[in-house]
Formats: sequence, structure tokens, C-alpha cells
Amino acid sequence: ETGVTQTPRHLVMGMTNKKSLKCEQHLGHNAMYWYKQSAKKPLELMFVYSLEERVENNSVPSRFSPECPNSSHLFLHLHTLQPEDSALYLCASSQDLTGSSYNSPLHFGNGTRLTVT
Amino acid sequence: GDSVTQMEGPVTLSEEAFLTINCTYTATGYPSLFWYVQYPGEGLQLLLKATKADDKGSNKGFEATYRKETTSFHLEKGSVQVSDSAVYFCARSQETSGSRLTFGEGTQLTVNP
Repeated sequence: ETGVTQTPRHLVMGMTNKKSLKCEQHLGHNAMYWYKQSAKKPLELMFVYSLEERVENNSVPSRFSPECPNSSHLFLHLHTLQPEDSALYLCASSQDLTGSSYNSPLHFGNGTRLTVT
Repeated sequence: GDSVTQMEGPVTLSEEAFLTINCTYTATGYPSLFWYVQYPGEGLQLLLKATKADDKGSNKGFEATYRKETTSFHLEKGSVQVSDSAVYFCARSQETSGSRLTFGEGTQLTVNP
């Protein structure tokens, strides 16, 4: 299997639930990202990991907790979410962070459609 | 800061029509520019890219030219197909980090037979 795989594809959860989103990349990349895609808004970069170290956290609420156990896997742990957190969550990877994005373009997964009730 | 502005959608065209989706970017630094496409139920895929002024990116019949004087990177295709129906995102590399991207809001394109 190649590319970036995200599971589950769809998730419905209540505000008191705890769930996790999973992302796996088979491209040998060293950088991984979480993006949030909401209707009629630009993609929001949430977290960036490089070689399993978190290098960016864009003012994301603490109810979102990322984890990167190795360079191929990335998780997003969710707890006590709000209805406005309903969105498509996209995982992406790139070869690295040191080069320019021209030579190291992003490869996206198909996303997890999250609905918070 | 870095930003990208795309023409508002949705855009609806008939098959074989000419397509233009406008994109402008903030003129800070010397960014690389990109168009990504998102087909229904999928993630974003890189469609084309350009790294410097007057470069033209092209792929699958789509083209975009990096225009520094107008800070634009408009997407064009001479004859669209039903299979081109998707959401198109313009993006630029961030000034502070070449490996991060700033995306526009996306433009929904629907092509009718």
C-alpha cells in the first residue's frame, strides 16, 4: 500500500467522548501534518512533526492532542470536543522540512469527516 | 502576513468550456506557488507548481503562470471535462518556512455534460 492512509473515514462523537484519528504514511517521509478543513474557510494548519518531534502548534485548543510515535504514524487524540470542531481533518506528509516546499510537496490522506453532536 | 485569495465559487461550466480560476497572493518574499485539487471524498492532490516569476506550471491540460508584477497565479484550462469537477486550492509557501503552505479558501468547480 502506498500514500497516506487515514482512519476512520467518518466519525461521529458526543462532546464527552474520547476518540483518536490515525494517519499512516508509506512514502518514507520525515514530516507529517494535521490540517483542519471547514466549509468556506482556508485549510488550517494545526500541527507539524518532523522526525517525530513536534515543531509547530498553531494555537490549537488542548482538547486536540497529537502524537507521533514514529515517522510513519501520526495520531490526533480528541476529548471533550465542541460542535464547532466538526470538520474534515486531513493528514499530510512531506519528505522533510529543511527543503523548500517546491521540491518536497505535501501528500494528503483522504481525511476523517468528524461530526461532534 | 502570508495570505492567498481565490475567486469565490462555486463555478459551473459546460463541458469543453474555458476555465479560469483567479488566485492572488501577498507579495512577501519569493514564494513558490501551487494549485492543489480535491476530488469528492478525497484529500488534496498537487496539480501543478511554479517556483519563480514567469514560470509556468502545467499538468493534465491545466496551466498557471507565476506573475510577480500582478502577484497572481491564475489557473486555466482550455476545455474542461466532467471529470474535472472538484475543489481547487491555490497555495503559497510561507515566508518564514519554505516547507509550510498557506492555502486559499478553495473554489468548487462543477462541469456539466
